Amino acid sequence: KAGVTQTPRYLIKTRGQQVTLSCSPISGHRSVSWYQQTPGQGLQFLFEYFSETQRNKGNFPGRFSGRQFSNSRSEMNVSTLELGDSALYLCASSWDPGNMNTEAFFGQGTRLTVV
Amino acid sequence: AQSVAQPEDQVNVAEGNPLTVKCTYSVSGNPYLFWYVQYPNRGLQFLLKYITGDNLVKGSYGFEAEFNKSQTSFHLKKPSALVSDSALYFCAVCRLDTDKLIFGTGTRLQVFP
Repeated sequence: KAGVTQTPRYLIKTRGQQVTLSCSPISGHRSVSWYQQTPGQGLQFLFEYFSETQRNKGNFPGRFSGRQFSNSRSEMNVSTLELGDSALYLCASSWDPGNMNTEAFFGQGTRLTVV
Repeated sequence: AQSVAQPEDQVNVAEGNPLTVKCTYSVSGNPYLFWYVQYPNRGLQFLLKYITGDNLVKGSYGFEAEFNKSQTSFHLKKPSALVSDSALYFCAVCRLDTDKLIFGTGTRLQVFP
């Protein structure tokens, strides 16, 4: 099986712009979670989608949003970018109905730099 | 509320020596515990997990972890460290019904030749 694919790998944006990141989960996985990784805050949970519905949400402002499509692919959007949004954004997929795996498999991440 | 603590920002160990990376957790109900490793410029890779059963869990690359319910700990161990084990290690806890992983702040393992 192909792993979790995140695109693009690198992004540079200016303050005030918006950005959309994409995540394609492992085939058969229905849950997609997003995390933000920064040196100062570590890994923080953003939100989780399951069957096109947001099931969990972390403590991030409304500028951070996401969605999941019927094929389980997910997008994350950040509007009105701030310098502090510079981070590595990681996507994880989990729950293979066939094997009942419980661990999350992570993509390589999208490194976003806001200038 | 769920939380994970990794009390050490960095652990230094000589190659060939045993290593321990500490993790303690707080969660209501039965914990599901994980260890992930992150190499430079890479995403997180799964190492091992504890769901139920034997308290000693064996994982990838010769790593193992021991679940200790009384001490609410899940320390990562390896009998003989390799230079290639140098990376950032994250402990995580979740409740199965949420699929929401709560991560510790990470511990950087540095193995010296």
